[in-house]
Amino acid sequence: GAVVSQHPSRVICKSGTSVKIECRSLDFQATTMFWYRQFPKQSLMLMATSNEGSKATYEQGVEKDKFLINHASLTLSTLTVTSAHPEDSSFYICSARGGQGRLFFGSGTQLSVL
Amino acid sequence: GDSVTQMEGPVTLSEEAFLTINCTYTATGYPSLFWYVQYPGEGLQLLLKATKADDKGSNKGFEATYRKETTSFHLEKGSVQVSDSAVYFCALSEYNFNKFYFGSGTKLNVKP
Repeated sequence: GAVVSQHPSRVICKSGTSVKIECRSLDFQATTMFWYRQFPKQSLMLMATSNEGSKATYEQGVEKDKFLINHASLTLSTLTVTSAHPEDSSFYICSARGGQGRLFFGSGTQLSVL
Repeated sequence: GDSVTQMEGPVTLSEEAFLTINCTYTATGYPSLFWYVQYPGEGLQLLLKATKADDKGSNKGFEATYRKETTSFHLEKGSVQVSDSAVYFCALSEYNFNKFYFGSGTKLNVKP
């Protein structure tokens, strides 16, 4: 089946630094990718919808200047957490839309900001 | 707005036990309902889905029935195996799958 690769799986960084997370569709082209965040014991929350070649659409309450999304090709979307703070520590997961509306997910990135 | 609520885990069962993971939803329209599974170190994978009321989704021995009257989509399996240990997410989507809403996930541990 379709595979989505997400990297890194775990990252620890100092407060104030920026972290980039990559999401790649390995065997299909994805014009639309999604970024989710999950805090402990809470639901996966959609952060933004990323469309190849255009600006991302952010959900209400998500700071677009803090969470920069780039979808420069049909197989790669990146999420950059800028000037990370401890409250940004969370599990981030991407998904790519394939045929028939199916979603294919990456394995997630656990971000810890010290 | 739309939302999904599922039972908190972890759920710990012995092999061959019966499994139920409860899921209820709130939606403004007529959503499709899904169960996703995440095995350790992997991404979420679609386990089963149902697109309209009274539909039953099934896969790998798991079943869930779309109950509009109780707004539920409970996941069941008659006899779990150790290999079923994973995190299970209930989800809904409306409007041609433009948006998905997920529950918080339920971790299942199956002991031999």
